[in-house]
Amino acid sequence: KQEVTQIPAALSVPEGENLVLNCSFTDSAIYNLQWFRQDPGKGLTSLLLIQSSQREQTSGRLNASLDKSSGRSTLYIAASQPGDSATYLCAPKAAGNKLTFGGGTRVLVKP
Amino acid sequence: DGGITQSPKYLFRKEGQNVTLSCEQNLNHDAMYWYRQDPGQGLRLIYYSQIVNDFQKGDIAEGYSVSREKKESFPLTVTSAQKNPTAFYLCASSMGLYGNQPQHFGDGTRLSIL
Repeated sequence: KQEVTQIPAALSVPEGENLVLNCSFTDSAIYNLQWFRQDPGKGLTSLLLIQSSQREQTSGRLNASLDKSSGRSTLYIAASQPGDSATYLCAPKAAGNKLTFGGGTRVLVKP
Repeated sequence: DGGITQSPKYLFRKEGQNVTLSCEQNLNHDAMYWYRQDPGQGLRLIYYSQIVNDFQKGDIAEGYSVSREKKESFPLTVTSAQKNPTAFYLCASSMGLYGNQPQHFGDGTRLSIL
């Protein structure tokens, strides 16, 4: 059974600092991995989807890397802004074509 | 604008009562999903549907039921058999169950017990 861990559980940084969010998963036989953002009381917004054949995927200030063999993905957010404050969730897609979610990293960017 | 609409935003259930959460999408997606989120935890899959008139149990289906009579609609019923229904419920859809299509989410329904 796939298990997903996100470390740290919470992170507070001053504005302008780069963010590094970690995701590890136990079953490396994944098809892809999706990173989401969740604002308080809201649904999930898809940020990036990185396919199992890719090493990284970029969108603006966001960059996600994937090391499938070691069961790890990292989301980098460059030059953080207060608007980046949210919870970030990772979800690999493995057997049964279902997503398994981590518990999330709660990020606070202080002005 | 294409998207997923969940209603109501807040819902209250009395003891012994069944309640139904609505999920509608106009993205022309084949696959739809229901997740439950508890405070400080990740999402857990309740039910999913790959196509009309077909659905499968997820990891925590006990106490829930669904139907998929139309492509755009996937309502979730929380039955009285679900003893701990207080949670945030999220509906999602994707073009298909397989492949590299991302899942897109609605804004959720928060269910509480009276």
